[in-house]
Amino acid sequence: GENVEQHPSTLSVQEGDSAVIKCTYSDSASNYFPWYKQELGKRPQLIIDIRSNVGEKKDQRIAVTLNKTAKHFSLHITETQPEDSAVYFCAASIQGGSEKLVFGKGTKLTVNP
Amino acid sequence: EAGVVQSPRYKIIEKKQPVAFWCNPISGHNTLYWYLQNLGQGPELLIRYENEEAVDDSQLPKDRFSAERLKGVDSTLKIQPAELGDSAVYLCASSTGTSGGELFFGEGSRLTVL
Repeated sequence: GENVEQHPSTLSVQEGDSAVIKCTYSDSASNYFPWYKQELGKRPQLIIDIRSNVGEKKDQRIAVTLNKTAKHFSLHITETQPEDSAVYFCAASIQGGSEKLVFGKGTKLTVNP
Repeated sequence: EAGVVQSPRYKIIEKKQPVAFWCNPISGHNTLYWYLQNLGQGPELLIRYENEEAVDDSQLPKDRFSAERLKGVDSTLKIQPAELGDSAVYLCASSTGTSGGELFFGEGSRLTVL
């Protein structure tokens, strides 16, 4: 079955610096890759997603890149702010659809003021 | 518009006791999911419904877990009997079901089994 590996498990940066979180997946049929942000005690919320026919997608300070050949995708956050502190989860679809996702174990990002 | 509503938010029970969690999805969302989230881990799918039909329950431990979604709207997840290892957050999510649809999660139900 699909396996999604996420690194690093924790990441600490200074405010204003960039943060990068990387994920790899195993199922070559995966075609949908969302990223969810979960603040402490809150629900996970979608922040950005990318499909397999696109190599990069950007939304203000966040961007996601996808390398289908290498089966890895990354989340990039620029000009980090303290409110970016949260746990970020990557996910990959399995069985060729987007209805079933396998999530990574999460990255706890801390942005120090 | 209200988001996904779950209750209870917190539940503490003794092992071997039963427990039930309730979820009300976003109006119009045909697809409903129950996820298990252990501390420090990502969500793991337990069961997925398309309307009232359970289309994927391969990860649901059927010896003690059961779920239902009568009338294709609200859903209930039950554990009977609960074990110590069931302590976790149970997340409900819903989506429109279309390809690439965003999952909208509830706040979760945190279960502690003593």
